[in-house]
Amino acid sequence: DTAVSQTPKYLVTQMGNDKSIKCEQNLGHDTMYWYKQDSKKFLKIMFSYNNKELIINETVPNRFSPKSPDKAHLNLHINSLELGDSAVYFCASSEWIRNSPLHFGNGTRLTVT
Amino acid sequence: AQRVTQPEKLLSVFKGAPVELKCNYSYSGSPELFWYVQYSRQRLQLLLRHISRESIKGFTADLNKGETSFHLKKPFAQEEDSAMYYCALSGLGSQGNLIFGKGTKLSVKP
Repeated sequence: DTAVSQTPKYLVTQMGNDKSIKCEQNLGHDTMYWYKQDSKKFLKIMFSYNNKELIINETVPNRFSPKSPDKAHLNLHINSLELGDSAVYFCASSEWIRNSPLHFGNGTRLTVT
Repeated sequence: AQRVTQPEKLLSVFKGAPVELKCNYSYSGSPELFWYVQYSRQRLQLLLRHISRESIKGFTADLNKGETSFHLKKPFAQEEDSAMYYCALSGLGSQGNLIFGKGTKLSVKP
């Protein structure tokens, strides 16, 4: 099944912990992204990678560190989790063409208590 | 600055009624505009993009550069259209950096 898959689907953790979210795509795309959707459903880009190279790094705390071992994977590691990090995190991929549509994963709902 | 505005957080219509989800954008160059949809418990997915000039699931959207708008329309809403709709903009030289609006939740009542 060709898709963007991310794990875990739900993540509940305490403040101060370190956690990772994994993302994999088998669509043959060379560009991958992380988006954050807050409690008001607002979607905002965090990072994008093209062929394992960081392209976009929006104003995100450096507690968030993306890692791309190859162009099919883009993982998100978060250190010292804070309450405000609670959100749904979406991974996406696309071709490196301006109007190429993004293919999204199902999202990871992170809850920090 | 690039910005996408969807003025309605929630739009509620009855089945069979026309629906228009508004989207206005701010961009100095020539934008690419998209509509994405998120059905309940499903992933966000592309609905349509302005360069394709297509109709998907009965929805159409026309880019109006004079009014800087890209409203999504459907003449007869169906219950299965109930979802969260996001308008998005891509600027020149910014592959993948889609600027999303805050989304409009469409609720189609029977």
